[in-house]
Amino acid sequence: AQTVTQSQPEMSVQEAETVTLSCTYDTSESDYYLFWYKQPPSRQMILVIRQEAYKQQNATENRFSVNFQKAAKSFSLKISDSQLGDAAMYFCAYRSPNSGGSNYKLTFGKGTLLTVNP
Amino acid sequence: NAGVTQTPKFQVLKTGQSMTLQCAQDMNHNSMYWYRQDPGMGLRLIYYSASEGTTDKGEVPNGYNVSRLNKREFSLRLESAAPSQTSVYFCASLTLPRGTNTGELFFGEGSRLTVL
Repeated sequence: AQTVTQSQPEMSVQEAETVTLSCTYDTSESDYYLFWYKQPPSRQMILVIRQEAYKQQNATENRFSVNFQKAAKSFSLKISDSQLGDAAMYFCAYRSPNSGGSNYKLTFGKGTLLTVNP
Repeated sequence: NAGVTQTPKFQVLKTGQSMTLQCAQDMNHNSMYWYRQDPGMGLRLIYYSASEGTTDKGEVPNGYNVSRLNKREFSLRLESAAPSQTSVYFCASLTLPRGTNTGELFFGEGSRLTVL
């Protein structure tokens, strides 16, 4: 079974600075999908960014970007120009290619709590 | 613009009591999911429903039952609640564009359940 590990239970960053959240995963599959979800205090999970493993290019979404290192099985999230609204729990998640379509299932890491200091 | 709606948002039960968590989505999605979130853990899949009329076990199904009442609604039932079921429960539905294998889960706001 795939596992997802987030080694940083908590991180903090100063407003306007950059922070990187780490995620590693274990899989024997060659093709898969990776995600970062944000969970603010409101509790609702929000998709931040996704990466298809077959794509060489790292995904970016505005101030959010990933560093995808397939050989190292690493998928870190970089948040640039951090804002107070970025404070949240961040979860890394993995989806197997065999769980596509109606069999779609995600495996989540334990999360990293990000604090943004003004 | 409701998306995924869960009720109740908070509930306190005594051990042995039963209750049902309700979930409804208005996005015409086929697949729906129930996850639980515990402190220091990620989300773990309890049950899912790929389409109306079908349900399947996830990672942690013991102690739970589900019903896919129709395309919109997917309920989670605890027949005899135990303290180990104290958790935050999330319902989600899947948007899956036709002809693709990618998709996105949309989550409800969660239901905090405490079993004493």
